[in-house]
Amino acid sequence: EPEVTQTPSHQVTQMGQEVILRCVPISNHLYFYWYRQILGQKVEFLVSFYNNEISEKSEIFDDQFSVERPDGSNFTLKIRSTKLEDSAMYFCASSERRGGTDTQYFGPGTRLTVL
Amino acid sequence: ILNVEQSPQSLHVQEGDSTNFTCSFPSSNFYALHWYRWETAKSPEALFVMTLNGDEKKKGRISATLNTKEGYSYLYIKGSQPEDSATYLCAPTGGGNQFYFGTGTSLTVIP
Repeated sequence: EPEVTQTPSHQVTQMGQEVILRCVPISNHLYFYWYRQILGQKVEFLVSFYNNEISEKSEIFDDQFSVERPDGSNFTLKIRSTKLEDSAMYFCASSERRGGTDTQYFGPGTRLTVL
Repeated sequence: ILNVEQSPQSLHVQEGDSTNFTCSFPSSNFYALHWYRWETAKSPEALFVMTLNGDEKKKGRISATLNTKEGYSYLYIKGSQPEDSATYLCAPTGGGNQFYFGTGTSLTVIP
């Protein structure tokens, strides 16, 4: 069964460093998403991406964050200058179609620890 | 749809017990509701998507109902098994791409 994969599973970085989290969505999906979960809190939406551009983003997704689909398979989230409060589990998801009724398929997450 | 609550936060049941938990959400701007099952260190697994008031979905021993007028959904597990142990997340949507997740209900089934 097709699945969303994410690498690395755990990333440790120093405050102020740039990190890139990688995802391979399901191959025939067209919509891609990033969510995060800070320990003990809800899973929060960051951004959605379609046709090589951001279609929706939350207030969390500020100028420190960027997303890219550098080739036909990868989808990346970059944090330019990490802060302690960026420590969280980051989930990538993909769906075939847009909209609230289409299932988003999630990857297993990347745990980001900022020291 | 920012205020999504799930209760209880955690639940311990004996194998064979039936159980249910609740997802509450604001009924205005509702478009659809998704339920996910999430085991530690694995990807959240999609269970159901529901849209209509009165919708009822079933997958094996797990079923869910939806009341969009009062803003809640119930998830039922009949005859719980140890492999049902997981966190169950609900996520209503307002029609856009954004899922609004609840806090989750952590279920532990004791053999």
